Amino acid sequence: DTAVSQTPKYLVTQMGNDKSIKCEQNLGHDTMYWYKQDSKKFLKIMFSYNNKELIINETVPNRFSPKSPDKAHLNLHINSLELGDSAVYFCASTGGTAYNSPLHFGNGTRLTVT
Amino acid sequence: AQKITQTQPGMFVQEKEAVTLDCTYDTSDQSYGLFWYKQPSSGEMIFLIYQGSYDEQNATEGRYSLNFQKARKSANLVISASQLGDSAMYFCAMRDVMEYGNKLVFGAGTILRVKS
Repeated sequence: DTAVSQTPKYLVTQMGNDKSIKCEQNLGHDTMYWYKQDSKKFLKIMFSYNNKELIINETVPNRFSPKSPDKAHLNLHINSLELGDSAVYFCASTGGTAYNSPLHFGNGTRLTVT
Repeated sequence: AQKITQTQPGMFVQEKEAVTLDCTYDTSDQSYGLFWYKQPSSGEMIFLIYQGSYDEQNATEGRYSLNFQKARKSANLVISASQLGDSAMYFCAMRDVMEYGNKLVFGAGTILRVKS
């Protein structure tokens, strides 16, 4: 009965490769996010979708492309991976756009680019 | 400008004692929410407690309470009766109505270590 699930948990790949991370939530939430946590543990938003529509696109390289086939899924595809992409990527969802709705996070995907 | 500031990179507390983790925020909006998350060494992000900008009472959730001082723009997390399992990274975060999409903005975090 996992609320927000991400796969894979670990991803090790070489520079230049293309990889995807999948995220699914079974909470019935309308809004989903991708966050990146860097080596210093700082969490920064990358993208947000509301009902399959992109609503936040922070200054993220074009190599990162989110895709939301339906409101329960938000995948992240990364092209031409670089060493600096190594980080933990978190998917999250929330039930409302009100400021009192917490985000529910997946367990994260640790991406290592060698 | 930094929206959320956590000035304590690391804290130590003796088991069974209380500890306060500091958080100050910056917003010109009247409607906003403040959140605390816990990230243990296993890596998951666990939602702990929420305080709304219009809430007059400080939020409490079990051993967690939030010391909300709106005029000072501070939202400190108080953990009472610390346990070894409280050792983790703690993040303060804010959700701001005026921000399009209501993204959650995080502070840099505080590492808490509970000593036995």
